[in-house]
Amino acid sequence: RKEVEQDPGPFNVPEGATVAFNCTYSNSASQSFFWYRQDCRKEPKLLMSVYSSGNEDGRFTAQLNRASQYISLLIRDSKLSDSATYLCVVNRMYSGGGADGLTFGKGTHLIIQP
Amino acid sequence: ETGVTQSPTHLIKTRGQQVTLRCSSQSGHNTVSWYQQALGQGPQFIFQYYREEENGRGNFPPRFSGLQFPNYSSELNVNALELDDSALYLCASSPGTESPLHFGNGTRLTVT
Repeated sequence: RKEVEQDPGPFNVPEGATVAFNCTYSNSASQSFFWYRQDCRKEPKLLMSVYSSGNEDGRFTAQLNRASQYISLLIRDSKLSDSATYLCVVNRMYSGGGADGLTFGKGTHLIIQP
Repeated sequence: ETGVTQSPTHLIKTRGQQVTLRCSSQSGHNTVSWYQQALGQGPQFIFQYYREEENGRGNFPPRFSGLQFPNYSSELNVNALELDDSALYLCASSPGTESPLHFGNGTRLTVT
């Protein structure tokens, strides 16, 4: 079983719609969680950290369910510029890095259509 | 802007050759990590340096090695290049253990 699993998509979504995608992780010792966004042929960029209480940043909401080892990302009122690959990331350490490094999923490809 | 820059942006090498990739981090970023991202995959952790010493390593063979310098720059060296080494190589740095990593723009290596 892969450490971090995501549906690769693509998710084709009309502009203005709400879209949600999930990821699961296998290592119950994981302590910190993130969503990164990666545009085609660019580097990953931190979108948001994910906390157990859930957190929101504008149109983006992230949720963490430790019992089910499941992370979600919800995007409301989607924009054309949201088209990208969204990478689910977990880490055994409480920090953003750590000696074990970040463990990335393969990413979910999102296409927002006009 | 993340303040992490990598060079070169693209590189073509022949199987069996050696390559050095470079990364420059922001002042004060004591931690630097390197990742390999093959096409269609997520980034894979190669290793991490903290204050010029390797303090973590992923599942990569010894022909992948690195250095970190006092001026917050670092290098990734790969010896005996193989075709499967073709990938985007990403450097990421952080000011401390409590801060998320920020990635540089990457070096795209093609091995022919």
